[in-house]
Amino acid sequence: DADVTQTPRNRITKTGKRIMLECSQTKGHDRMYWYRQDPGLGLRLIYYSFDVKDINKGEISDGYSVSRQAQAKFSLSLESAIPNQTALYFCATSDLRQGQDNEQFFGPGTRLTVL
Amino acid sequence: GEDVEQSLFLSVREGDSSVINCTYTDSSSTYLYWYKQEPGAGLQLLTYIFSNMDMKQDQRLTVLLNKKDKHLSLRIADTQTGDSAIYFCAERSGGYQKVTFGTGTKLQVIP
Repeated sequence: DADVTQTPRNRITKTGKRIMLECSQTKGHDRMYWYRQDPGLGLRLIYYSFDVKDINKGEISDGYSVSRQAQAKFSLSLESAIPNQTALYFCATSDLRQGQDNEQFFGPGTRLTVL
Repeated sequence: GEDVEQSLFLSVREGDSSVINCTYTDSSSTYLYWYKQEPGAGLQLLTYIFSNMDMKQDQRLTVLLNKKDKHLSLRIADTQTGDSAIYFCAERSGGYQKVTFGTGTKLQVIP
């Protein structure tokens, strides 16, 4: 079974709709992240959370919100989707307890299309 | 803020060596990483180097770090068709430990 899962894997929606992307992890990691990937722009950080009570904005948080419902769950919401939010979205986790945070573990991605 | 730059595309012949380059701006970087993204998948860590090292070798992979020029490279020896993927350079600075990813380099291996 995958350690980091994302649902849905693909979603097509219309402008103005509210969308929620879910991420779950079984790795027991404290830190979770949401990124979006756009061709030629690489990965850009939307939000990150270092534990259940800690939520931080990344470099492109406008138009997005997040909820850390539990250590294992971190969801990303688009309150009113717009076409330029069409992208590939990745959730990732990392382990604070190792003290080095050397590696992020990525989910398989959610491809979101906003028409 | 931090900036990490890579060329977007590299094409090599099977069996040749590939060299993927990356430049970064944050002089306080502590770790530098190379991640691989295969088609339809998330990123996976390939290797990383601590900022006080100049070189790290791991089987077919060689990472070179020039801290003075803020330049990182990944050399893949004897490149295979299975190496075709997007390769992301990333750096972590010591502050609140955020990782900044580069734009990604798409490696195409020609049989």
